[in-house]
Amino acid sequence: AQSVTQPDIHITVSEGASLELRCNYSYGATPYLFWYVQSPGQGLQLLLKYFSGDTLVQGIKGFEAEFKRSQSSFNLRKPSVHWSDAAEYFCAVGARDDKIIFGKGTRLHILP
Amino acid sequence: DVKVTQSSRYLVKRTGEKVFLECVQDMDHENMFWYRQDPGLGLRLIYFSYDVKMKEKGDIPEGYSVSREKKERFSLILESASTNQTSMYLCASSLYPGARLETQYFGPGTRLLVL
Repeated sequence: AQSVTQPDIHITVSEGASLELRCNYSYGATPYLFWYVQSPGQGLQLLLKYFSGDTLVQGIKGFEAEFKRSQSSFNLRKPSVHWSDAAEYFCAVGARDDKIIFGKGTRLHILP
Repeated sequence: DVKVTQSSRYLVKRTGEKVFLECVQDMDHENMFWYRQDPGLGLRLIYFSYDVKMKEKGDIPEGYSVSREKKERFSLILESASTNQTSMYLCASSLYPGARLETQYFGPGTRLLVL
């Protein structure tokens, strides 16, 4: 069965530090992968997506993610975080039955 | 920009009441979705719809029903609200069938409290 795992429930980083949020998926074929962000009190917004081609994907707000088939991972990175990046981040995979399966989310806290 | 609006940001209802959550999208999207979001559980799909008058069950449809009479509007109905339906409800839409390939656009959510 398709699934998405985000191993970290909470992550805290200092403003200006680099960030990596982990995502592992389980899927039998080429996955369609997404990262969404949910700011406090808001709905989800797409950061980036991967369907095929270059395994390093650029997104909005300075985020990028790298697809690694050998590790079944699609980790999200940002070289330098800003206080406004504090939010909850969801990794998702497009499933065979036309649904999108979301991970349980990682809440990012930023220290000033 | 795609806009997905939900009729209420906050709602308080009593056990046994019939509850309607309304969602409207303004970009002629084919697909619409209802999720509930709970701490530690992420997003779980309740129902989705590919077209007018069409609906498909998601992962947790029990206790819910939906209605899509017009393309732009997708309603979630709690026939008899219970306290375990206290949650954040998120509506989303996407452009084409083949939803697993498509970006979903989310509304701001309705936080429902059932007393």
